[in-house]
Amino acid sequence: DAGVIQSPRHEVTEMGQEVTLRCKPISGHDYLFWYRQTMMRGLELLIYFNNNVPIDDSGMPEDRFSAKMPNASFSTLKIQPSEPRDSAVYFCASRGGQAYNEQFFGPGTRLTVL
Amino acid sequence: AQKVTQAQTEISVVEKEDVTLDCVYETRDTTYYLFWYKQPPSGELVFLIRRNSFDEQNEISGRYSWNFQKSTSSFNFTITASQVVDSAVYFCALKSLIQGAQKLVFGQGTRLTINP
Repeated sequence: DAGVIQSPRHEVTEMGQEVTLRCKPISGHDYLFWYRQTMMRGLELLIYFNNNVPIDDSGMPEDRFSAKMPNASFSTLKIQPSEPRDSAVYFCASRGGQAYNEQFFGPGTRLTVL
Repeated sequence: AQKVTQAQTEISVVEKEDVTLDCVYETRDTTYYLFWYKQPPSGELVFLIRRNSFDEQNEISGRYSWNFQKSTSSFNFTITASQVVDSAVYFCALKSLIQGAQKLVFGQGTRLTINP
């Protein structure tokens, strides 16, 4: 079975540009999570969806960040405009079945904003 | 509030040594789950184990073993006869089914380096 797929794996952009990160969860999983990993703050949950509906976006840093899940097999995280402090590794994870089940993580997107 | 503390920021040992990674958690809930993830140099997060709060049996999987003690709120991870391939950052995480049911709270991670 394919795991969680993220694209691109690396993104380098200039400050002020729009950045879109993409995620395909594991088929059949009904929860999708977006995380950000930085040296200073570690792993932070940004937002999660259940059955394509955003449930908790309290971790989204500010209005420049938005996330969508138009269908069960695709989600995007968009930053507009991007800033150097957004540089981080962004992970997508998905989970199915019981609430106590583990989340499966994608390979991450390393974002560098110059 | 829920919190996970991994006090060891970095550990470095020589191959074949045993090493224990500490994890201490805080939660007011009686039902919760603890996890360990491995992040190798390639960057992905790999699930290792899940343990629920009602099961204090220790678990062994090959060279890996986990010691869960509710009395001390700890969920420690031991690698026996370490190998260079064990070099990674290891994260302990907590999920409460009551507070923020879907949220995984991660510790800051322990960077483990196994030297040949």
